[in-house]
Amino acid sequence: NAGVTQTPKFRVLKTGQSMTLLCAQDMNHEYMYWYRQDPGMGLRLIHYSVGEGTTAKGEVPDGYNVSRLKKQNFLLGLESAAPSQTSVYFCASTAFGSGANVLTFGAGSRLTVL
Amino acid sequence: SQQGEEDPQALSIQEGENATMNCSYKTSINNLQWYRQNSGRGLVHLILIRSNEREKHSGRLRVTLDTSKKSSSLLITASRAADTASYFCATDASGAQKLVFGQGTRLTINP
Repeated sequence: NAGVTQTPKFRVLKTGQSMTLLCAQDMNHEYMYWYRQDPGMGLRLIHYSVGEGTTAKGEVPDGYNVSRLKKQNFLLGLESAAPSQTSVYFCASTAFGSGANVLTFGAGSRLTVL
Repeated sequence: SQQGEEDPQALSIQEGENATMNCSYKTSINNLQWYRQNSGRGLVHLILIRSNEREKHSGRLRVTLDTSKKSSSLLITASRAADTASYFCATDASGAQKLVFGQGTRLTINP
């Protein structure tokens, strides 16, 4: 099983450019999440989804959009990248009704905005 | 703001010693989890303790939870070089559908 796969793994953008990060999971998980990780800040939740066609804002949603058109995929978009969005982005998923949200994480996507 | 705060931020010990990390949180929780992150990798789940549990063991890991103090500790016994990593606590607040992570403790095991 692949688990949670993130693409791309690395990307360099110029300020103002747009891009989409793709997260794919093959575990039939209902819930999916996008976090960002910055030095000394731990992980902060950007957006999440509790099912196909649903999304919700997390702690730091500004500057990002998401879509969950298919259950297995969760896309994170940056419409106009800013240097403050330089970070490592992690996608995670968990099964619905498990009684405990134990997350399975992807390997991360390192984004640099110049 | 972050739910979990971890202490210490960094810990360096000799191989074979025990390592203890602490986590404090702010609101009522369903459960508390600990994750490990090796350098440049994603987080991996280690152990979960529910709000009605006080202590849990898994191999060399021992987790305690004190809901009255809103705090948890992770003890790694007989540390090994391979335990070098960052460790994060994460809380599952009552009624929430998401985990909130602490800032992490960076653990270094010296051979």
